Amino acid sequence: GIQVEQSPPDLILQEGANSTLRCNFSDSVNNLQWFHQNPWGQLINLFYIPSGTKQNGRLSATTVATERYSLLYISSSQTTDSGVYFCAVGNQAGTALIFGKGTTLSVSS
Amino acid sequence: KAGVTQTPRYLIKTRGQQVTLSCSPISGHRSVSWYQQTPGQGLQFLFEYFSETQRNKGNFPGRFSGRQFSNSRSEMNVSTLELGDSALYLCASSLLQGGDTQYFGPGTRLTVL
Repeated sequence: GIQVEQSPPDLILQEGANSTLRCNFSDSVNNLQWFHQNPWGQLINLFYIPSGTKQNGRLSATTVATERYSLLYISSSQTTDSGVYFCAVGNQAGTALIFGKGTTLSVSS
Repeated sequence: KAGVTQTPRYLIKTRGQQVTLSCSPISGHRSVSWYQQTPGQGLQFLFEYFSETQRNKGNFPGRFSGRQFSNSRSEMNVSTLELGDSALYLCASSLLQGGDTQYFGPGTRLTVL
């Protein structure tokens, strides 16, 4: 099956810093999503981005499907950005997502 | 629109018991998927239902089962609970099957003693 690798596993930032999270996947996909899991366990969908570039406020994402990677950019980070960021991909007719192990982001003031 | 809801939010059971978890998708969504999250294995796909039919199943034993009703609400059942079944169980809904944004509920945290 598809392998999903995220890097870095942990990231510690000061408020206001920028960061880039990476997701590599081992096969072609028709579904790629980025999620943020808050301390209460809720998974919040950030982007549905199987290819191309999208932006939403301070967050943006780019997926280069031909090279099998996706990047999540966080600019001017805030303490509320802390949590675990997951990349998840799918390549079947159904909606089964395969998740990476996540990047744990800690933003301090 | 209301988001995905899951009940109960917390559950404590003992080994050997069975448990049923419930998920109500976003209104109009017909696809419901279930995931298990543990510290050791991360997030793993359990199964997916679309229009009351199981469309996809992950690599879990037969003790894990589910169903979907005509109103798209879904339940999952775990029989003969084991300690290793302690996990956060997450439900996700999407409008379409395949290649679509999934929206997750708050999860049910199951503890097996």
